[in-house]
Amino acid sequence: AQSVTQLDSQVPVFEEAPVELRCNYSSSVSVYLFWYVQYPNQGLQLLLKYLSGSTLVESINGFEAEFNKSQTSFHLRKPSVHISDTAEYFCAVSNTGNQFYFGTGTSLTVIP
Amino acid sequence: SAVISQKPSRDICQRGTSLTIQCQVDSQVTMMFWYRQQPGQSLTLIATANQGSEATYESGFVIDKFPISRPNLTFSTLTVSNMSPEDSSIYLCSVESQGMGYTFGSGTRLTVV
Repeated sequence: AQSVTQLDSQVPVFEEAPVELRCNYSSSVSVYLFWYVQYPNQGLQLLLKYLSGSTLVESINGFEAEFNKSQTSFHLRKPSVHISDTAEYFCAVSNTGNQFYFGTGTSLTVIP
Repeated sequence: SAVISQKPSRDICQRGTSLTIQCQVDSQVTMMFWYRQQPGQSLTLIATANQGSEATYESGFVIDKFPISRPNLTFSTLTVSNMSPEDSSIYLCSVESQGMGYTFGSGTRLTVV
């Protein structure tokens, strides 16, 4: 079975500061890894994903995540956050592609 | 990626009543998924809906409480039956977008009073 742990439930950070949202997973098989973002009063949106190939994946809005197999981690980072990045971020893992296991989410609050 | 239209976006319902949530996809998909996101928690898969067969429910969810329809490859409904305040959640449908991961509807925010 798969499981996902997001260690930080809330992360406050000042605008233009760097941020890292942590995600660890457990699985006995190869996995696909995802980060989803949920802006206030909106649905989930795919932020980025790792399926295979390069372990460093990037999104179009400056976020990146690195798949670390030895540490079973997929931490999300951004070197400089904006107010508009305030949202709930969910890490998810899937092995067959048919079912996701979501972490409990990290609430990122960017402070002006 | 696929585009999902989900409605209603929100509703306030009396306990004991039922609410049907609809999801329309702009392309044909084999499987559709229904999730629940309870306040302050992550997403939990309720069931997987395949066209032409009964939905497959996850542990803790039963068809009598959450009946699902899947009449064609672009549409599905989830009904929350005999509602109680504990059913207050966000309900989301999801489909796989080939090569793009999974796409989610905008969610239905249900409040049961």
